[in-house]
Amino acid sequence: DGGITQSPKYLFRKEGQNVTLSCEQNLNHDAMYWYRQDPGQGLRLIYYSQIVNDFQKGDIAEGYSVSREKKESFPLTVTSAQKNPTAFYLCASRGGAATSINEQYFGPGTRLTVT
Amino acid sequence: SQQGEEDPQALSIQEGENATMNCSYKTSINNLQWYRQNSGRGLVHLILIRSNEREKHSGRLRVTLDTSKKSSSLLITASRAADTASYFCATDWTGANSKLTFGKGITLSVRP
Repeated sequence: DGGITQSPKYLFRKEGQNVTLSCEQNLNHDAMYWYRQDPGQGLRLIYYSQIVNDFQKGDIAEGYSVSREKKESFPLTVTSAQKNPTAFYLCASRGGAATSINEQYFGPGTRLTVT
Repeated sequence: SQQGEEDPQALSIQEGENATMNCSYKTSINNLQWYRQNSGRGLVHLILIRSNEREKHSGRLRVTLDTSKKSSSLLITASRAADTASYFCATDWTGANSKLTFGKGITLSVRP
């Protein structure tokens, strides 16, 4: 069953703790993305990676970090430096070359609540 | 910001009616995509229209693109209660290096 998985679906953390969100895909896609979604808002790009061992900052990278050691995996760490971490986090992937025109495939999301 | 803007923000219609949603954007694009999101779930790709296309169909969906006005519309014909969701337009703008920029979305409610 191909697709993107994110775990866990719900995550609760205390303020000041770092937390890592998992994103795995078995679609053999080169590019992967992390978005943040707040209520009533669109998606904002946190980080993206077009190839293994390479990643770029998106529009709101401050307080977040990522790694891309394997093609299948693109974990996101929400650090204590992120001032408003409570949000819905979505991971996506895209196949084809960087210049190809392809849609993005999304995981089911992780809802992070920090108190 | 290159972010697309959808209009209206919310739309409520009766089952069987058509739903029209609009998206405007600011910069030149390679393509424009529409996505659907059910409450609390991930996004699902609906349709992609390239900058050199004017209209595209997929089942009950019809998308138009007017690059001179920097706008697109998504029409859902013969709506069903199951079409209730949020709909987002996303622009792959020139120079974006494979990134998409999403609008804030339109909440569509289809009453049975």
